[in-house]
Parts: sequence; C-alpha cells; structure tokens
Amino acid sequence: SQKIEQNSEALNIQEGKTATLTCNYTNYSPAYLQWYRQDPGRGPVFLLLIRENEKEKRKERLKVTFDTTLKQSLFHITASQPADSATYLCALSSAGSARQLTFGSGTQLTVLP
Amino acid sequence: NAGVTQTPKFRVLKTGQSMTLLCAQDMNHEYMYWYRQDPGMGLRLIHYSVGEGTTAKGEVPDGYNVSRLKKQNFLLGLESAAPSQTSVYFCASSQSLFAGELFFGEGSRLTVL
Repeated sequence: SQKIEQNSEALNIQEGKTATLTCNYTNYSPAYLQWYRQDPGRGPVFLLLIRENEKEKRKERLKVTFDTTLKQSLFHITASQPADSATYLCALSSAGSARQLTFGSGTQLTVLP
Repeated sequence: NAGVTQTPKFRVLKTGQSMTLLCAQDMNHEYMYWYRQDPGMGLRLIHYSVGEGTTAKGEVPDGYNVSRLKKQNFLLGLESAAPSQTSVYFCASSQSLFAGELFFGEGSRLTVL
C-alpha cells in the first residue's frame, strides 16, 4: 500500500541552526510533492511545491530536495528562528486520473532560543 | 480577502444526530476538498469536487455526503454522527486539481458523544 513517512514526530533544534525534515514514500510515483506549515489550531499553509523532474527548489530560507530514486524529500530551514516552530507536512500527488493529494502525519519542529 | 471560510468552528453532537459543515471560498477556485485530521493520522481526504454540481469520493468517504450547488460553496454533511467522526475537518480549494497550492480554512472541530 502507499505510504508517506515523515522522520520523527518531533524535532528540537537551536536557533540559528539548519533544520532538516525528511519525507519518505513507498509505492508512489509522485508527480508533485508539496510542503505545508501548520500552526496549532490553524489550517495548513502552503510553502513549496517541487515537481518530479526537479531536484531542488528554494524560497528565501527554505530549500526542498526531491530524490525519486531514494523516494525521499528533504526540507531545510536555514538560520532557523523560534517563529519557525510549527508542524510541517509533506504531501504527494501522482499524475493521471487517479491522483489525490495525500499528506504525511507531519513533523513538529521546535526552535529553541 | 477572506480566502476559505468554514462554519461552524466548533460543534458537539450526540451519536445519531446530523449536521452540515459549510465551506465558502472567494477565490473563484474550481476545485474544493474536505479533509479530516486526526492525531498521528495526517490529513485524509473525504470528498472533493472538480466543479459546480460535481463531487467525488476520497480516501475515507463513508458516513459523509457532500454537495456543490454553487461554485463558491462546498457542504459536508453527516447524516447520523458516530464517535469515530470526532475530528478536525478542513476545507480547501485550489486552482488546479491536486497539482498546486491548496488554500485551507481554519478548521471545524467536531466532537461526537
């Protein structure tokens, strides 16, 4: 069956360091991979989208990589700040008529001052 | 610009009662979705719509019905609520089907006793 796994449920890092979150998938041929941020009691907010033929995407302090051979995406936040503390969700969709956007369960990131 | 608005934000039901969650978007998006979010499970797709008057089943459609009578509104109904439907429900909309940014509402927390 199709499965999306995000590294640990919780990740603590020191302010100023780079946070790296992992999204692994099995039994998927994703055409698109997305990352969302979710704060407590709020809806997810879109951050980045990367296509299967793209290796890397950047937006300000955010960087996403997509390795379809390893079936893995890495999400990096450089120079992390306490305001980056949130839960980060990865989501995959495949091409074709049967596609749906499926979410991982998320990684809760805490940036310590 | 309100984006995606969900009502109500909180609701407590007794087993067997019925209710409707309303989602409204003001971005003229063709596609709309209902997800539920449970601890450790991630977001799971219930139903979605590719346009006014059309709906389709997602991953977990049982026990729910939906309607899209107007392009800007997507209703999620529970005909006979069960404790297993206790969850946080999120509505979302997008310009492309599962292939681009999803705009989420703030969520509706439903408790079924």
